[in-house]
Amino acid sequence: AQKITQTQPGMFVQEKEAVTLDCTYDTSDQSYGLFWYKQPSSGEMIFLIYQGSYDEQNATEGRYSLNFQKARKSANLVISASQLGDSAMYFCAMREALTGFQKLVFGTGTRLLVSP
Amino acid sequence: GAVVSQHPSWVICKSGTSVKIECRSLDFQATTMFWYRQFPKQSLMLMATSNEGSKATYEQGVEKDKFLINHASLTLSTLTVTSAHPEDSSFYICSAQPRQGSRETQYFGPGTRLLVL
Repeated sequence: AQKITQTQPGMFVQEKEAVTLDCTYDTSDQSYGLFWYKQPSSGEMIFLIYQGSYDEQNATEGRYSLNFQKARKSANLVISASQLGDSAMYFCAMREALTGFQKLVFGTGTRLLVSP
Repeated sequence: GAVVSQHPSWVICKSGTSVKIECRSLDFQATTMFWYRQFPKQSLMLMATSNEGSKATYEQGVEKDKFLINHASLTLSTLTVTSAHPEDSSFYICSAQPRQGSRETQYFGPGTRLLVL
């Protein structure tokens, strides 16, 4: 069964608008971590934000915030005030069992295009 | 901080040759490094996990003899694609896990694009 699901292959947003990228996950672990990464056309993976399963508050990092709804197993990324440079692929990832090898499992990604 | 480098960034080789890709953590020690493969317009697929001083753990379906991984030190892991064929052409990305901090993200290298002719 797929562990990370990103149902939006592509999203369009106008500059300065906010956009939400969806991510749902599946795990039986109580302890896990959720990550969002940005991958521009250059290929590098840029870490954006992290949410731990026991974190009581939603994570925020500058213009990025994570809408964590544990009961629904969703971890949507919200980008406020979109900029042209935000155009990229965005991947949601999960790490189960916060000890050991700490493998990341990635979703299929969402391509975001920000228009002027 | 937390910079990971990869070398080379681009490699074109003939079918049948072997290619070595280096992954270095520049400003931290990494107990664990990961190697991913990404085909165009697809997600990252974990190939193997390597721990310093021990054998790599390969994901199901990844040929150990085809993709040799060596993690010789806390700052260097290498991936060797042996007897490369055109179907091995892909984008290879490594990441490194800092020794401390379970909340720490993996830090990714810039990737290596391999084209096998």
